[in-house]
Amino acid sequence: GAGVSQSPSNKVTEKGKDVELRCDPISGHTALYWYRQSLGQGLEFLIYFQGNSAPDKSGLPSDRFSAERTGGSVSTLTIQRTQQEDSAVYLCASSLVPLNTGELFFGEGSRLTVL
Amino acid sequence: KQEVTQIPAALSVPEGENLVLNCSFTDSAIYNLQWFRQDPGKGLTSLLLIQSSQREQTSGRLNASLDKSSGRSTLYIAASQPGDSATYLCAPRETSGSRLTFGEGTQLTVNP
Repeated sequence: GAGVSQSPSNKVTEKGKDVELRCDPISGHTALYWYRQSLGQGLEFLIYFQGNSAPDKSGLPSDRFSAERTGGSVSTLTIQRTQQEDSAVYLCASSLVPLNTGELFFGEGSRLTVL
Repeated sequence: KQEVTQIPAALSVPEGENLVLNCSFTDSAIYNLQWFRQDPGKGLTSLLLIQSSQREQTSGRLNASLDKSSGRSTLYIAASQPGDSATYLCAPRETSGSRLTFGEGTQLTVNP
């Protein structure tokens, strides 16, 4: 596609429910990132995928968070048993490699509200 | 751990002014540094990417410089316009792990 596509754009859920957020990166981009932006806060790194390498999961805040990337393209971020503190905008970004020249492009984000 | 600081946190200027936004980072082992803008309720839009071997990059009224050894980058905006009003973020990309670390941003308001 022309840009990074994320869905849903808005999600309201009840505490304790599971949610799935989807990211469709720019075609041909092998590097994919998830970030989280809480209200009034900076961007927090969550996870990084690069080709077939093992993902860098060091930013995931708890074991309720997981992400996968199927076929080297679409990625899904799953949050189990959501809590109110999970409310945030979840941003996906992709880039080409090599990483020294790969410009990062972001999607519009998925705004998650946990009631 | 990379730490990124952006100064000032907020800036309000009249239209037409030239202005400088500052970014400093603690770990100079970076591939590159990217500047973004974020409009309220929107995602991030890439403005400029400077590779670690470069000193400067220009796009239209924007000019970004990078001094990797001292851990500093500046974004210069010439002849500011109300449409430039947004939050500006800098993000160096680390060579270890390849993540980008973001500053808190500079919130810019350009008044007509």
